[in-house]
Amino acid sequence: DQQVKQNSPSLSVQEGRISILNCDYTNSMFDYFLWYKKYPAEGPTFLISISSIKDKNEDGRFTVFLNKSAKHLSLHIVPSQPGDSAVYFCAASGWSGGGADGLTFGKGTHLIIQP
Amino acid sequence: DVKVTQSSRYLVKRTGEKVFLECVQDMDHENMFWYRQDPGLGLRLIYFSYDVKMKEKGDIPEGYSVSREKKERFSLILESASTNQTSMYLCASSPDRGITGNTIYFGEGSWLTVV
Repeated sequence: DQQVKQNSPSLSVQEGRISILNCDYTNSMFDYFLWYKKYPAEGPTFLISISSIKDKNEDGRFTVFLNKSAKHLSLHIVPSQPGDSAVYFCAASGWSGGGADGLTFGKGTHLIIQP
Repeated sequence: DVKVTQSSRYLVKRTGEKVFLECVQDMDHENMFWYRQDPGLGLRLIYFSYDVKMKEKGDIPEGYSVSREKKERFSLILESASTNQTSMYLCASSPDRGITGNTIYFGEGSWLTVV
């Protein structure tokens, strides 16, 4: 059963506009959320994260919003640029109290920025 | 900067061969992970390790084993490669989980084709 869901496999946005990528989760034990960006034939690179004690985190053009009651987070990219075209993975982790936690990833959303 | 190095970027192996995928990180991280990425399935955790000689099964450990003899090195082993193990394999590492959560850093990936 998928615990982290990205329901849009792809998203097309015009350059300069806002890109909004969505992510839903089901496990209420998740307390830390991350977004990764991945280009073809490369490993994912960390983009931005948010702790469950916050509802917003901003880093330059990237903002992540967390709605805990709805178990929903979103990544906003403003303004969108051609280099933002990539696959974006939402990930979540929960503190199990016993060592490392692997992140649980969504299936990814392929963002395409059109000129 | 964190550096996670996967020694082989592209491999082609025959069915039944034993395959070793090597990963080294240079940041003295406690935790190391192996994921595989497949189209439409996102990233799935195979195994992880939170200490030398320690290993834990992830979501899809069948057909794989791992070895962590030194802190900086984490090896993924396919005992008898099969065609359904054709995939992109991603190694990752992270420091001990802090209050800000668990940020994982990825290598560039190893493309394995089993014929």
